[in-house]
Amino acid sequence: DTAVSQTPKYLVTQMGNDKSIKCEQNLGHDTMYWYKQDSKKFLKIMFSYNNKELIINETVPNRFSPKSPDKAHLNLHINSLELGDSAVYFCASSQDLGQAYEQYFGPGTRLTVT
Amino acid sequence: RKEVEQDPGPFNVPEGATVAFNCTYSNSASQSFFWYRQDCRKEPKLLMSVYSSGNEDGRFTAQLNRASQYISLLIRDSKLSDSATYLCVVNKRSNYQLIWGAGTKLIIKP
Repeated sequence: DTAVSQTPKYLVTQMGNDKSIKCEQNLGHDTMYWYKQDSKKFLKIMFSYNNKELIINETVPNRFSPKSPDKAHLNLHINSLELGDSAVYFCASSQDLGQAYEQYFGPGTRLTVT
Repeated sequence: RKEVEQDPGPFNVPEGATVAFNCTYSNSASQSFFWYRQDCRKEPKLLMSVYSSGNEDGRFTAQLNRASQYISLLIRDSKLSDSATYLCVVNKRSNYQLIWGAGTKLIIKP
């Protein structure tokens, strides 16, 4: 009964490769997010989608492209991976875009670029 | 100045003690405040929202000081299971974005 799931949990790949991370939520939420948590533990929002529409697109390289086929899924595709992309990527969802809504996180995808 | 600042710790506290830590924020127009908890190598989970009048949930008390622009978290009768990183989260102006602090690491020792 996982609320927010991500695959894969671990991803080790070489520089220059293209990879995707998948996220699914079964909470019936309208809003989904991608966060990056680097080695210094800062959690930074990358993208936010509401009802499959991109709402927030922080300053991330355009090598990162989110795709939301439906409200329950938000995938992240990364082209031409770089060493600096190594981090933990968390998917999250919330009931709506309102500021007071709790965000539910997936278990994270630990990406290592060598 | 960072938008949200926290003392990274670690705070080493004996079991049963009371511990408190603060989080300062730079935007006076911020309206929503939260404390999340993140265990080692796990995802963040909501601990509690912070209301203007302050709020309590069992051993945990959260307070907001708008004049000085900080929120606080007090943990009473600390348990070993309270060991975690506590993340302060503040909304960014009137848009939908939340700004996350880097977290305060708490270690409860037996």
